[in-house]
Amino acid sequence: EVQLVQSGAEVKKAGESLKISCKGSGHSFNSYYIGWVRQTPGKGLEWMGIIYPGDSDTRYSPSFQGQVTISADESISTAYLQWRTLKASDTAMYYCARLGLYGSGNYEVFDYWGQGSLVTVSP
Amino acid sequence: SFVLTQPPSVSVAPGKTARITCGGNNIGSENVHWYQQRPGQAPQLVLFYNSDRPSGIPERFSGSNSGNTATLTISRVEAGDEADYYCQVWDSSSHLYVFGSGTKVTVL
Repeated sequence: EVQLVQSGAEVKKAGESLKISCKGSGHSFNSYYIGWVRQTPGKGLEWMGIIYPGDSDTRYSPSFQGQVTISADESISTAYLQWRTLKASDTAMYYCARLGLYGSGNYEVFDYWGQGSLVTVSP
Repeated sequence: SFVLTQPPSVSVAPGKTARITCGGNNIGSENVHWYQQRPGQAPQLVLFYNSDRPSGIPERFSGSNSGNTATLTISRVEAGDEADYYCQVWDSSSHLYVFGSGTKVTVL
């Protein structure tokens, strides 16, 4: 069974750094892109970026480029989302999700999701 | 980048049909995927490529996509269908994965 298990909730202060994790199991971790998605309280889903653990190919949404760093360690099947300097506006739930290929057209969809990591940043 | 517009909410009685729209400029030429997010849970894929169902998703979930509107239809609505629903596309021009604004489905 494919699973993505994320690290727990974090409470931080503005200006601090943070790295959250997403550990995969039940599939070949280095053969699928892993994406990160932000969900702010009461708001919708925003795609932040994506990484291919096999070669660390990484792409960011322009909205998050320079604000976060996405990385992965394929030896332990884990992807990471990192902030150098947190802001109160980073308070949100963060999900990792696997980008799977579906159907005859190999359509890319986020087919498995982690349980989410709640990040709370106080001013 | 591509903008996907969904109605904030849809209310439906049990056993009836819910239709959730996702509007976008010529979205009919895109491949639209749909996700369900029940309260307190992570999103779950319910439709891909406009109308195909992943394994385990009931036939009550169907979809269509034409012109400027994609639609997720839930037939014979049950209490367990109460959730937020998001459409999503891959915007090939900007290389972004774009989600719609989300629609809260309330079962009366």
